[in-house]
Amino acid sequence: AQSVTQLDSHVSVSEGTPVLLRCNYSSSYSPSLFWYVQHPNKGLQLLLKYTSAATLVKGINGFEAEFKKSETSFHLTKPSAHMSDAAEYFCVVRERGFKTIFGAGTRLFVKA
Amino acid sequence: EAQVTQNPRYLITVTGKKLTVTCSQNMNHEYMSWYRQDPGLGLRQIYYSMNVEVTDKGDVPEGYKVSRKEKRNFPLILESPSPNQTSLYFCASSFRGLALDEQFFGPGTRLTVL
Repeated sequence: AQSVTQLDSHVSVSEGTPVLLRCNYSSSYSPSLFWYVQHPNKGLQLLLKYTSAATLVKGINGFEAEFKKSETSFHLTKPSAHMSDAAEYFCVVRERGFKTIFGAGTRLFVKA
Repeated sequence: EAQVTQNPRYLITVTGKKLTVTCSQNMNHEYMSWYRQDPGLGLRQIYYSMNVEVTDKGDVPEGYKVSRKEKRNFPLILESPSPNQTSLYFCASSFRGLALDEQFFGPGTRLTVL
């Protein structure tokens, strides 16, 4: 069965410092993995996705994530945080497409 | 503009009064799905549909019904709403139901059941 664990419910960084949002997954098959962002009172926007083509995935707004099968991880990173990155981030796993499992979310705070 | 629309965006109702939240997409997507979002729980899948007349339960289907009579529409029906169904609801669609397909989300419907 698939599951997703986002290891931090809240992360706080200063503007200009690196961002790391951690995600571990469990899947019986080769999953597809996604990161979505939700800004306050907004819908969900796709940041990036892993579909087995390359383990290092680049997304929008300078975000990237690395798929590590041995560690069952798909952590999201950004070299330098911007105030506009403050939002909630969701790690998502899809296995064979039918069902979709979301992590509980990580709220990112960016301090000036 | 390619989009997923939901109506209404906000709804306050009372226990037991049947309601329907509509979802429509204009991208000719085969796959559609409903989620509810609750604090600390992320989004949980209620129902999904692989195509017209093909629907299946997600992780939290109790108290909800869906139908898929047309490809573009996937309404969510609460026959007898209860306060524990107070939540933020999202509809999503993707081209197919393959694992690699990106889902496009609607703007959300905030439902309060008194």
